[in-house]
Amino acid sequence: AQKVTQAQTEISVVEKEDVTLDCVYETRDTTYYLFWYKQPPSGELVFLIRRNSFDEQNEISGRYSWNFQKSTSSFNFTITASQVVDSVVYFCALSEKGSGGYQKVTFGTGTKLQVIP
Amino acid sequence: ETGVTQSPTHLIKTRGQQVTLRCSSQSGHNTVSWYQQALGQGPQFIFQYYREEENGRGNFPPRFSGLQFPNYSSELNVNALELDDSALYLCASSVDRGRPDTQYFGPGTRLTVL
Repeated sequence: AQKVTQAQTEISVVEKEDVTLDCVYETRDTTYYLFWYKQPPSGELVFLIRRNSFDEQNEISGRYSWNFQKSTSSFNFTITASQVVDSVVYFCALSEKGSGGYQKVTFGTGTKLQVIP
Repeated sequence: ETGVTQSPTHLIKTRGQQVTLRCSSQSGHNTVSWYQQALGQGPQFIFQYYREEENGRGNFPPRFSGLQFPNYSSELNVNALELDDSALYLCASSVDRGRPDTQYFGPGTRLTVL
């Protein structure tokens, strides 16, 4: 069964510090996708990044970067020079193909980030 | 291109009642998935609809049912509401069920069962 673990329930950092959100996953499939979403208080999940299991290249987008390591089943997310606006909940998710062809997505429990000014 | 919309925004029901939540998928998307998110938890997959048929279901009882219409909009119905059904219900649409495409989420419907 697939599983996503975000061990950090809440993290507090001071503005302009770098912060890394951890994500560890479990799957038996060789083909799968990993995602990061953020969820502001309004409730809508906002897509940040998708990475497939065959692409271990790290990615940088502005202040955001992602480190995917298959050997440790981890897909960590780093925010550089954090800002107060980054204070939301972040979710890591794993997608596999379920029986019947549907996209089976499992989310972690989320990490609440608080950036202190 | 319009995003995913959901209605209503908030809903209060009493135990034993029935509720219907609605979702309009993003333009060009034919697959809709529903999730339940309890307070402080991650979203839990309820089911997925593709071309008007349910083609995947999570660990939810049959009193959770759904529909998808020819325009790909969708409904989530919950019968015999229980207190534990109080949660944020999220709808997500994607281009095609067969591809592990990015799911785009609506703002959710917050259901409170008293």
